Amino acid sequence: AQSVTQLGSHVSVSEGALVLLRCNYSSSVPPYLFWYVQYPNQGLQLLLKYTTGATLVKGINGFEAEFKKSETSFHLTKPSAHMSDAAEYFCAVSGEDTGRRALTFGSGTRLQVQP
Amino acid sequence: DVKVTQSSRYLVKRTGEKVFLECVQDMDHENMFWYRQDPGLGLRLIYFSYDVKMKEKGDIPEGYSVSREKKERFSLILESASTNQTSMYLCASSFNSNINTEAFFGQGTRLTVV
Repeated sequence: AQSVTQLGSHVSVSEGALVLLRCNYSSSVPPYLFWYVQYPNQGLQLLLKYTTGATLVKGINGFEAEFKKSETSFHLTKPSAHMSDAAEYFCAVSGEDTGRRALTFGSGTRLQVQP
Repeated sequence: DVKVTQSSRYLVKRTGEKVFLECVQDMDHENMFWYRQDPGLGLRLIYFSYDVKMKEKGDIPEGYSVSREKKERFSLILESASTNQTSMYLCASSFNSNINTEAFFGQGTRLTVV
């Protein structure tokens, strides 16, 4: 079965600093990978996704992620944090258990941005 | 814009009650999902459906059932609510494509069982 591990349940950065949120996955089939963001009392919103092709994926709000097969990683980065980036971030992989229909999520990383 | 609408943002129910959580999507998606979100556990799949009247168990189906009588609507049923079912419930939908499993989420229903 597929799985996702997000290292660090809480990450705190200063405004303007680099954001790095870590995600490692396991999958017995070529993975489709996703990052979602959740603002307080909201549903999840897609930031970016990797299915096939270019391994560096750009998303909304200046975020990007790089698929590294050899490291089974899909870390999320943003060069310069903004106060509005404070939210919870979830990494997910499409599930071969469900014929790729459902996503398997990590436990989430809460990003705090200090002024 | 894809819209996934959950009927309630907040619900308070008593132990033993039968609880219905409703979800409607307007994008003609084949797949619909119910997830449960708890702090430190992320989102866990309860049930999903890939067609009308079809359902599949997810990772934590115990204590829940689902109904999908129409393509746009997917209901989660707590047969006899218990306090350990106090949680945030998220509905999602997606196309049935093996190259694009992006899911669109509703705003969530925060259920408290007392």
